[in-house]
Amino acid sequence: AQKITQTQPGMFVQEKEAVTLDCTYDTSDPSYGLFWYKQPSSGEMIFLIYQGSYDQQNATEGRYSLNFQKARKSANLVISASQLGDSAMYFCAMREAIDSNYQLIWGAGTKLIIKP
Amino acid sequence: ETGVTQTPRHLVMGMTNKKSLKCEQHLGHNAMYWYKQSAKKPLELMFVYSLEERVENNSVPSRFSPECPNSSHLFLHLHTLQPEDSALYLCASSQDRTGVGNTIYFGEGSWLTVV
Repeated sequence: AQKITQTQPGMFVQEKEAVTLDCTYDTSDPSYGLFWYKQPSSGEMIFLIYQGSYDQQNATEGRYSLNFQKARKSANLVISASQLGDSAMYFCAMREAIDSNYQLIWGAGTKLIIKP
Repeated sequence: ETGVTQTPRHLVMGMTNKKSLKCEQHLGHNAMYWYKQSAKKPLELMFVYSLEERVENNSVPSRFSPECPNSSHLFLHLHTLQPEDSALYLCASSQDRTGVGNTIYFGEGSWLTVV
């Protein structure tokens, strides 16, 4: 079974609109971390935002916020006021402890294209 | 300026060549990683080093040979590669190897083409 699911392979959004990128996860461990990364066509994987499973509030970092719905096992990334430079692949990832192994598990990614 | 730098950014090599990818992190981290990203595939973890000791090798063929001379530098030595090894190779680092909140920071990647 998929541990991390990103259901949107691709999205087109008009510049300056808000964007929501979906991510659902599957774990039975009460302690886990959720991450979002951005990968432009140049290749670099850029860390955007982190949410811990015990965090009471949704994480925010500038124009990025994480809509964390624990009961639904959902960790959607919201980008406010999108810009042309936001066009990239976006990956959701989860870190949990499995037999003391803290490997990062990745989703398949969503390709976001911002239209001028 | 990125905290993790990789060189070269692009590399084309023949199947009989020997080359190396270099990674340097300026973040004072204790753990370093090599990942492989092929087209249409999820990111694959290749090797993990913690305090210069290799702690994970995820069934990577021996034609890939990592080296970690100190906590700031990581190399990936390549020899007798196959065309299917063509991919983006990403180096990364984190404060430690353990902990669910340990953020991994990546370099810009090295695009490798094997001809």
